[in-house]
Amino acid sequence: NAGVMQNPRHLVRRRGQEARLRCSPVKGHSHVYWYRQLPEEGLKFMVYLQKENIIDESGMPKERFSAEFPKEGPSILRIQQVVRGDSAAYFCASSPQQGAQETQYFGPGTRLLVL
Amino acid sequence: KQEVTQIPAALSVPEGENLVLNCSFTDSAIYNLQWFRQDPGKGLTSLLLIQSSQREQTSGRLNASLDKSSGRSTLYIAASQPGDSATYLCAVVYGNNRLAFGKGNQVVVIP
Repeated sequence: NAGVMQNPRHLVRRRGQEARLRCSPVKGHSHVYWYRQLPEEGLKFMVYLQKENIIDESGMPKERFSAEFPKEGPSILRIQQVVRGDSAAYFCASSPQQGAQETQYFGPGTRLLVL
Repeated sequence: KQEVTQIPAALSVPEGENLVLNCSFTDSAIYNLQWFRQDPGKGLTSLLLIQSSQREQTSGRLNASLDKSSGRSTLYIAASQPGDSATYLCAVVYGNNRLAFGKGNQVVVIP
């Protein structure tokens, strides 16, 4: 059983470029969550998605950031025109269904470095 | 706004001692509380999940308690081992299945 997979594990971008982070949830899981961990900070919720729907994006920065979870394929977190402050570890988690009793299973994260 | 605090931020203990890690949260309207382990450069591993109606959960050498009314949880690790060295994260589920995390307790167990 494969867990949550994220790629790439490490990503280096120059300021102004685009970053695309991919997350494949646990097989059979239809709920995906993205979190960001800034240096010396705790993980912060960004967005919660179901297949083809954004359920809660209250933690997403208003500009440059977008997320999707299409019917087929992985969930994508896209950061346009990256800035140095975007350097962080981005974690994806999945759960089988909605419900606070469900454990969220985390991937290994993508470490983004903006030069 | 839900805020989660973990103290101490870092601690070192000799092997064999019991570990006590504290977590507090500001809004008692939570659905559950989870303790995770994070190793350097790695993802998060779920250790224990306590439903809001429960008082504690146990798994092997780990025991977590929850006092929802006072907004506190404690993770106990009995007879610590060097392999327990890691950062331990406390997180509460609230609102729309969101997890609110503390900054973690960084633990070093000295052989």
